Amino acid sequence: QSALTQPPSASGSPGQSVTISCTGTSSDVGGYNYVSWYQQHPGKAPKLIIYEVTKRPSGVPDRFSGSKSGNTASLTVSGLQAEDEADYYCSSYAGSNNPNVFGTGTKVTVL
Amino acid sequence: QVQLVESGGGVVQPGGSLRLSCAASGFTFSSYSMHWARQAPDKGLEWVAVISYDGSNTYYTDSVKGRFTISRDNSKNTLYLQMNSLRAEDTAVYYCVKDLGRSGSYLRGDYWGQGTLVTVSS
Repeated sequence: QSALTQPPSASGSPGQSVTISCTGTSSDVGGYNYVSWYQQHPGKAPKLIIYEVTKRPSGVPDRFSGSKSGNTASLTVSGLQAEDEADYYCSSYAGSNNPNVFGTGTKVTVL
Repeated sequence: QVQLVESGGGVVQPGGSLRLSCAASGFTFSSYSMHWARQAPDKGLEWVAVISYDGSNTYYTDSVKGRFTISRDNSKNTLYLQMNSLRAEDTAVYYCVKDLGRSGSYLRGDYWGQGTLVTVSS
């Protein structure tokens, strides 16, 4: 099972929006609505920010939103803040044989 | 509050074995699926395994099938990962992850432990 493809980096100024893509296949992202997004600050454990494509856990600001079109899922961070600078990973269900696959990760820089 | 505390990591020679534990508290452990995920040094995340709330169903990533075993003891609120025939490429921080639901093999990890480092080296 190959990792999902994410851009290595993305950036934006405070207050701007940044969108990160997560591209898979019809066997993972395109086939199921089980895409999650995680935020990871250096030296810290990942934090769930989006699950089931569009849902936000309680406590996650509504500046974070998710969507999916075909085999590509996207995470949009609106109103960028300094604390949003982190690595972001998508994950998707990929069927019962090898159930879960992560994306390659995207480093978001707040300029 | 939810706490997941991993232990059991360390240095092991190639071909060796190690058992990781994850002590859970702050939630009804027996009601949720649990996962292990890992992250090699300066690399991305990799999902490893999942076990259903009652231990009846387990799933693994291809690279660990036949070598790793995930299990749980609901009476002790503890998750385990038995790792045999370890390889250099298994070197990583191993995270214990609570899922949002009780069954299904998909990952919706709403709480993560701080991780335990496993180093496979001679």
